[in-house]
Amino acid sequence: GNSVTQMEGPVTLSEEAFLTINCTYTATGYPSLFWYVQYPGEGLQLLLKATKADDKGSNKGFEATYRKETTSFHLEKGSVQVSDSAVYFCALGTGNQFYFGTGTSLTVIP
Amino acid sequence: DVKVTQSSRYLVKRTGEKVFLECVQDMDHENMFWYRQDPGLGLRLIYFSYDVKMKEKGDIPEGYSVSREKKERFSLILESASTNQTSMYLCASSFQTGTPIVPLHFGNGTRLTVT
Repeated sequence: GNSVTQMEGPVTLSEEAFLTINCTYTATGYPSLFWYVQYPGEGLQLLLKATKADDKGSNKGFEATYRKETTSFHLEKGSVQVSDSAVYFCALGTGNQFYFGTGTSLTVIP
Repeated sequence: DVKVTQSSRYLVKRTGEKVFLECVQDMDHENMFWYRQDPGLGLRLIYFSYDVKMKEKGDIPEGYSVSREKKERFSLILESASTNQTSMYLCASSFQTGTPIVPLHFGNGTRLTVT
């Protein structure tokens, strides 16, 4: 079947620290992979996407590479800011269905 | 920009009430989805629809129904609200997708409290 597993939170980092949030997936076929971000009191916003193996998605300093050999799509950012504090969701899309991880809460302290 | 609008940000209802959650999208998307979001459980799919008057059950449809009379509007109905339906409800939409898969666009959510 299809599923997404992402690292448990919460994660607390100091400003300008390096961020990694791990995400692995199980899928049949050839899924697309996404990272969504949810700021407090809001819905989910698409952060970045990758549609095939070895694709790198990037946006706002965040990056993730679609690794088929390790079935992973880890989110990274070289220097986090306080404004990056949010919940991050890894997701897989296949057919007309989407599968989400449980979310990782990130708090960045000044 | 795609806009998915949920009619209420916060709702408080009593046990046993019939509750309607409305969602409208302005991008002519074929697909619409209702999820509920609970701490530690992530997003769980309640119902989805690929076209007007079509609906499919998701992972947790019990206690819910949906209506899609027009392409842009997808309503979630709690027939008789219960306290275990207290949650954040998220509506999402997308185009019909082939390969590659197109992303979902989400509304801001409705936080429902059932007392």
